[in-house]
Amino acid sequence: RKEVEQDPGPFNVPEGATVAFNCTYSNSASQSFFWYRQDCRKEPKLLMSVYSSGNEDGRFTAQLNRASQYISLLIRDSKLSDSATYLCVVLASNSGYALNFGKGTSLLVTP
Amino acid sequence: EAQVTQNPRYLITVTGKKLTVTCSQNMNHEYMSWYRQDPGLGLRQIYYSMNVEVTDKGDVPEGYKVSRKEKRNFPLILESPSPNQTSLYFCASSLWAAGNSYEQYFGPGTRLTVT
Repeated sequence: RKEVEQDPGPFNVPEGATVAFNCTYSNSASQSFFWYRQDCRKEPKLLMSVYSSGNEDGRFTAQLNRASQYISLLIRDSKLSDSATYLCVVLASNSGYALNFGKGTSLLVTP
Repeated sequence: EAQVTQNPRYLITVTGKKLTVTCSQNMNHEYMSWYRQDPGLGLRQIYYSMNVEVTDKGDVPEGYKVSRKEKRNFPLILESPSPNQTSLYFCASSLWAAGNSYEQYFGPGTRLTVT
């Protein structure tokens, strides 16, 4: 299985800032893409799935570029409560159906 | 309430003493998996199962066994634990259809220490 790579972080941003996370995947057979959020010492929770046409959920926008094998997450108007680790997750189907997680990018939003 | 439960939540054991971590989900999900999370390495998939009696290796299966005799349960077995298996373990489940996995629901985690 191939790797999923994310920006190393950490990202320290002030409240109200816009921040973007990037993720690249190397398996061209990847077919499902997700962003998860994980708070310290807690279980990951789905933030949003990523669709080919791009999708938006409030302050969060996800983009997928299959040609470049690249996924992004944009957070606008950052809140203190957005502080967490963001995980990029990819499902590839050419070697079973295992899920690949990126190592995560840590975000700290400061007052 | 839809949930994934894991037991125990915390466990300290000694090298070589067989242990089982249970995982159960009440959402009738087909896909279940186990992950371990270590600092600097992120979440790595140990084993997954796409349905009853169907299991497959993930990234780091060595030293672990699983079984899927019932749809709701997916126990993780460490036959002879070693200190390098000290980690935070998560069980997760999701729907599975047409070769696609959907939202993974994670259990609360099991913190295992092997001395």
